[in-house]
Amino acid sequence: DAKTTQPPSMDCAEGRAANLPCNHSTISGNEYVYWYRQIHSQGPQYIIHGLKNNETNEMASLIITEDRKSSTLILPHATLRDTAVYYCIVRIPGTYKYIFGTGTRLKVLA
Amino acid sequence: ETGVTQSPTHLIKTRGQQVTLRCSSQSGHNTVSWYQQALGQGPQFIFQYYREEENGRGNFPPRFSGLQFPNYSSELNVNALELDDSALYLCASSLFRGTSSGNTIYFGEGSWLTVV
Repeated sequence: DAKTTQPPSMDCAEGRAANLPCNHSTISGNEYVYWYRQIHSQGPQYIIHGLKNNETNEMASLIITEDRKSSTLILPHATLRDTAVYYCIVRIPGTYKYIFGTGTRLKVLA
Repeated sequence: ETGVTQSPTHLIKTRGQQVTLRCSSQSGHNTVSWYQQALGQGPQFIFQYYREEENGRGNFPPRFSGLQFPNYSSELNVNALELDDSALYLCASSLFRGTSSGNTIYFGEGSWLTVV
């Protein structure tokens, strides 16, 4: 099973870009990278996912390195409501078994 | 809003008792999975159901069991409750479209179980 490594915590000033890194050095060729966030004991919220190419949606951008061993989630203009635990996850092919780590606790500061 | 609803939101049980948690999937979704999240930890995969059959299981004992119904709603049953079963139980639903596609799961708000 591929595993992910994330820094335990990060701070970001409100209005600035938040860049959350993730290492997944054992990822295999057909495994997707997913990002979710969890705001204080609510259910995890889907943000974005990708396989090889960079992806962007209304919430965030996902940058995946060419060797796919790491990725970065970018929140372009962080707000106080973005304060949450962010999980980088690799999905096991053919299942919905997501291996969650302990995530990165992002605190957006006013 | 993900369209995934869970009940009850909170409950307290006594050690040794049994509990049933319920989940209503997002409309059109055919797959449901369950996760356990202890305080301060990331969610841990329990099992998933597709077309009413279990087709994937994490490292949980047999006293954790489930059902998926024809309308794709689901139940998680836990027998012989232990204190360590106290956790947030999350249900997630998705539409399975093949192993090669990026199928996304959507979580409900969870059921908080406290075992005393």
